[in-house]
Amino acid sequence: DQQVKQNSPSLSVQEGRISILNCDYTNSMFDYFLWYKKYPAEGPTFLISISSIKDKNEDGRFTVFLNKSAKHLSLHIVPSQPGDSAVYFCAASALGTSGSRLTFGEGTQLTVNP
Amino acid sequence: SQTIHQWPATLVQPVGSPLSLECTVEGTSNPNLYWYRQAAGRGLQLLFYSVGIGQISSEVPQNLSASRPQDRQFILSSKKLLLSDSGFYLCAWSRGVAKNIQYFGAGTRLSVL
Repeated sequence: DQQVKQNSPSLSVQEGRISILNCDYTNSMFDYFLWYKKYPAEGPTFLISISSIKDKNEDGRFTVFLNKSAKHLSLHIVPSQPGDSAVYFCAASALGTSGSRLTFGEGTQLTVNP
Repeated sequence: SQTIHQWPATLVQPVGSPLSLECTVEGTSNPNLYWYRQAAGRGLQLLFYSVGIGQISSEVPQNLSASRPQDRQFILSSKKLLLSDSGFYLCAWSRGVAKNIQYFGAGTRLSVL
């Protein structure tokens, strides 16, 4: 049972435009959501997170939106840069989960073209 | 600041051989520790996590085991590797609090031939 899903395996955008990466989840107990960025042969790097008490969190070029009723979150990157090309994972956790486990989506490969 | 070290970066092992991957964290105490595997073209699968020395929880039954002999050391092992054990193995740590962020090591690319 895939509780966190990223339905788009890849996304290609032009430099300077907006990149929108989407993520859906099924477990209503999830209350904290994170986005990670991963380059090939490296570990994922934390980008931005959002708590379920908020619907938006912004950090520089990165904004995460959360729609709890739709169980959907998205990551917006504006403006997109070639260095943003990487695999992006969304992840979710439930308060009180033993060990604070994260459930990851399958990832979306973002390619930003110069 | 906290750092996480994972080694080796790449490893090629024959089927049936043993495995030992090590992960250490510096700059923090009593972290939660995690082992993940990323198979080719797939997401991150949690294999083991630990909230303290000697405390290991297994997420997926398999050919692997984990141990935490010291507070900031996490070891992934196998007595006999299978071809299906090939993948990219990642160690991560987090503070033992809610709404935590996990920080990942650089990973180990394991090829079982």
